[in-house]
Formats: sequence, structure tokens, C-alpha cells
Amino acid sequence: GAVVSQHPSRVICKSGTSVKIECRSLDFQATTMFWYRQFPKQSLMLMATSNEGSKATYEQGVEKDKFLINHASLTLSTLTVTSAHPEDSSFYICSARSGGQYFGPGTRLTVT
Amino acid sequence: AQSVTQLGSHVSVSEGALVLLRCNYSSSVPPYLFWYVQYPNQGLQLLLKYTTGATLVKGINGFEAEFKKSETSFHLTKPSAHMSDAAEYFCAVSEGQTSYDKVIFGPGTSLSVIP
Repeated sequence: GAVVSQHPSRVICKSGTSVKIECRSLDFQATTMFWYRQFPKQSLMLMATSNEGSKATYEQGVEKDKFLINHASLTLSTLTVTSAHPEDSSFYICSARSGGQYFGPGTRLTVT
Repeated sequence: AQSVTQLGSHVSVSEGALVLLRCNYSSSVPPYLFWYVQYPNQGLQLLLKYTTGATLVKGINGFEAEFKKSETSFHLTKPSAHMSDAAEYFCAVSEGQTSYDKVIFGPGTSLSVIP
């Protein structure tokens, strides 16, 4: 099956700094990717839909200026958490569809 | 808008007993339905999915689910629980299978298996 990777798998950053998370489709092209956030012991909440070559579509309540999404190629989408704060600490998961839905392994962000 | 509810945030069963995890959905079009499992500190693994056709869907690890349109349900079952089944289970719905159809997740059910 198709593979989606994420980098890094874990990141710790200081409050106020920005963090970039990469999501790659390894063996297929993805014009659309999805970004989810999962707080401990909670479900995955869809944050935004990343569209290759155009602006991302954000779900209601998600700050687009805080969570910058860039989908510059058919195999790469990036999520940048700007001016991170401790409340942004979470598990971020990306996914893409190629027939089925394929999820990346997730990135655990801890903001200190 | 599509949504998913899962009755019971936590379910405990004895090893060897029947597992039943409930899922109800809301969708304005015929839904595509999924069950995912997540082990601690890991990503998601697809257990099974319903797209069209047969309403009883068999998945991995002995799990199966039945799509009941009249009840807007997609409950997950397994005849005999194993200790290794202890995990978080998420039901999810999508309104299509194209690359731009988003998948919406339910709140999840934590399954514990008692020896």
C-alpha cells in the first residue's frame, strides 16, 4: 500500500519559536493532504485540508495564521506552528488519499 | 455535514468475550465508513472499511462491522477478545473516496481486556 511519512517524529521547542512538520507521500502523488491534531486521550480533529498549488482550507476554529500550511509539490505538505505555546503541544498527524486513506505516523510536539 | 458518535468512551471486556464497539454516523450522502485502531503512542491502523456492496465487512485481526443504513450505524464486533486488542478504536466517516474527501473521526472508544 501507499506510504505517508512525517518528519520529525518528535520535537521539543521553546515557547515563542516556530516548528515545521513535513508530510510526504512516498510512492504516490497527493494533490490533497489533510492535517489532524490529537490531544492526549482524545480523537483526531481535522485542522485543515492542504491543496497542492493553492491555499489550504481550514476548519472552523483553526487559526490559519498560526498553523501555516504549504503544499508546494505533489508529494510534500508542511505544517508550521508559529509562535508555539504550551497549549499547542499535541500529536499532529497528516494523511493523504490514494484509493484508500493513508496516515503518517504522527509528530509529537512538546512546547516548553 | 458529516459526524460520528461512539457510545461509550471506555469499554471493558473479559478475555475471550465478545467485543462490541458502537458507532453511529450522520451524513448527507451515502457514507464511506471506517474503523481504525490506535495503540499507545502510535499512529492509526485501518481495521476495515465500508464503501459499497456487502454490508457486513470483515477486517483484520478477526474484527468485522455491519453497515445498517436504517439505523445509521456501523458497529464493530469481534467474537473473542484477546489481550492484544486493548487499544483506542476510532470510527470515521467520509462522503466520498476521492483524494479531496476529508475523513471525520468519532471521539474514540478505549477498549480494555481483562485477563
